[in-house]
Amino acid sequence: SAVISQKPSRDICQRGTSLTIQCQVDSQVTMMFWYRQQPGQSLTLIATANQGSEATYESGFVIDKFPISRPNLTFSTLTVSNMSPEDSSIYLCSGSGRGRDNEQFFGPGTRLTVL
Amino acid sequence: AQKITQTQPGMFVQEKEAVTLDCTYDTSDPSYGLFWYKQPSSGEMIFLIYQGSYDQQNATEGRYSLNFQKARKSANLVISASQLGDSAMYFCAMSTSNYQLIWGAGTKLIIKP
Repeated sequence: SAVISQKPSRDICQRGTSLTIQCQVDSQVTMMFWYRQQPGQSLTLIATANQGSEATYESGFVIDKFPISRPNLTFSTLTVSNMSPEDSSIYLCSGSGRGRDNEQFFGPGTRLTVL
Repeated sequence: AQKITQTQPGMFVQEKEAVTLDCTYDTSDPSYGLFWYKQPSSGEMIFLIYQGSYDQQNATEGRYSLNFQKARKSANLVISASQLGDSAMYFCAMSTSNYQLIWGAGTKLIIKP
């Protein structure tokens, strides 16, 4: 496996603003993913972060709202744009390609509250 | 369609007892993997155990074991001798052919002293 760090760990933001979350892996991974977890819910995949190209977004998520970058094999960012209270969630970064099957290992998450 | 079902939204278990968390899955792929993750209140996702569809034996990792019944398409997590620190959300997940994981709704486990 690998170790993933994420920052910030938590933030409280005002509606209409944007927040960029950083995800750093301590070694190269094949795939990186961004998830949203709304309170009391399971994980929902936002997008797959592709190195050097546009991310692949899941249904219901768009690049204008959640722009993602992945400049290399160990780093990615997710921006939550023009935030509203409905964006209050835990945002999780994960990586895969170093374990069995498609095992994903996760960062500690970013707990976002939008007022 | 591929799907993971966890039918137990919440469970209360007495400390030191064994607990079984249910997970059923649906897929037409012959090759797949099944995972269990633990999420404490801090929010991090912790990998617990993995079972491959072609594995002949049930996976075990310390106090965790996976009761894999392929014909029934079930992959239940068994925690032996539960501890207070086992209180958390538990998620079952299945790998797909496009490198993603499909997630169940989760089970909230509370261990009572």
